[in-house]
Amino acid sequence: SQQGEEDPQALSIQEGENATMNCSYKTSINNLQWYRQNSGRGLVHLILIRSNEREKHSGRLRVTLDTSKKSSSLLITASRAADTASYFCATDSGGYQKVTFGTGTKLQVIP
Amino acid sequence: NAGVMQNPRHLVRRRGQEARLRCSPMKGHSHVYWYRQLPEEGLKFMVYLQKENIIDESGMPKERFSAEFPKEGPSILRIQQVVRGDSAAYFCASSPDKNYGYTFGSGTRLTVV
Repeated sequence: SQQGEEDPQALSIQEGENATMNCSYKTSINNLQWYRQNSGRGLVHLILIRSNEREKHSGRLRVTLDTSKKSSSLLITASRAADTASYFCATDSGGYQKVTFGTGTKLQVIP
Repeated sequence: NAGVMQNPRHLVRRRGQEARLRCSPMKGHSHVYWYRQLPEEGLKFMVYLQKENIIDESGMPKERFSAEFPKEGPSILRIQQVVRGDSAAYFCASSPDKNYGYTFGSGTRLTVV
């Protein structure tokens, strides 16, 4: 299996609820990033968390990183229909600057 | 700031033709990366370039694929003699250095018919 695996693969929630997505990886990293991809569109960078950070906030987004467990979570609070998208975590393992993406979590927010 | 610009957005090629995908990085970014996204799969790294240099092409297929990032102008991903299996979305990203998050373009969707 590849570096950066998201869990769950798909998530469906009601508008206003919170959405939590998880990402696990295998090798040590310099940083981890979360991206959103709307259907048929490009990737939008959401947040970057460095390996020496444990938690980071950006608006309704909260990202945690547990390097001992090699995992990260993305929490979207008070979800909106516009949050419907696929969410990817990407790990930067350093060296060259190689970013590896997982297969993503498809989030559906029902109005 | 115009962000990372990729063109064309959609490209249709017949089998055996050549596909040229262009990527203009964000202003001030000298690191460019190409990724491929096959249907229902995550992004896969292809190649990492800096101006006039290929730094890492370990993700590039050995044949038919090439990339360049000249001193002037955009980075080009070139696919010769395209086959159906090349149909995918190709994303370009840029960054000012390895300590910053990557900014992605909107991608080029290549369809080989």
